[in-house]
Amino acid sequence: GIQVEQSPPDLILQEGANSTLRCNFSDSVNNLQWFHQNPWGQLINLFYIPSGTKQNGRLSATTVATERYSLLYISSSQTTDSGVYFCAVHMNTGFQKLVFGTGTRLLVSP
Amino acid sequence: EAGVVQSPRYKIIEKKQPVAFWCNPISGHNTLYWYRQNLGQGPELLIRYENEEAVDDSQLPKDRFSAERLKGVDSTLKIQPAELGDSAVYLCASSAGQGSETQYFGPGTRLLVL
Repeated sequence: GIQVEQSPPDLILQEGANSTLRCNFSDSVNNLQWFHQNPWGQLINLFYIPSGTKQNGRLSATTVATERYSLLYISSSQTTDSGVYFCAVHMNTGFQKLVFGTGTRLLVSP
Repeated sequence: EAGVVQSPRYKIIEKKQPVAFWCNPISGHNTLYWYRQNLGQGPELLIRYENEEAVDDSQLPKDRFSAERLKGVDSTLKIQPAELGDSAVYLCASSAGQGSETQYFGPGTRLLVL
């Protein structure tokens, strides 16, 4: 099956710092989503991004589907950004199955 | 607009007992998903419904797990009997259609089997 690898696995930032999270996938995909799972376990949609670049406030994402990777940028990080960030891909097969990556655990300290 | 609703939020049971989880998707969403998330891992799909039809249940352990989506709206996921290894968070998600639309997740049910 498809492999979805995220890096780094863990990241500690000082409040105000910037960071880049990476998602690599092993096969062609129909689409890609980025999620933030907060400390209470809620998965929050960040981006639905098959290709190109999108921005939402301090967050932006870029997907290069032909090279099988996506990047999530967090600028001016805040303590509320802490949690786990997942990318998830829609497989390019008959069933539209969402496969999650390994996750990046982010801790932003004040 | 209300999001995906799940209940209960937490459940503690002894092994071999039955347990059920309930999900109400976003209004108008035809596609409903059940995922299981083990500690430290990403969610994994258990079953996907298009309206009331289960179209992908290949990852559902059918010896002890069952699910239903009567009338194509609410859904129930059941485990009988529960085993220690079933301890996990059970997440429900919904999307507007069977294409690559965005999936929206509920808060999940945290199950602990003792």
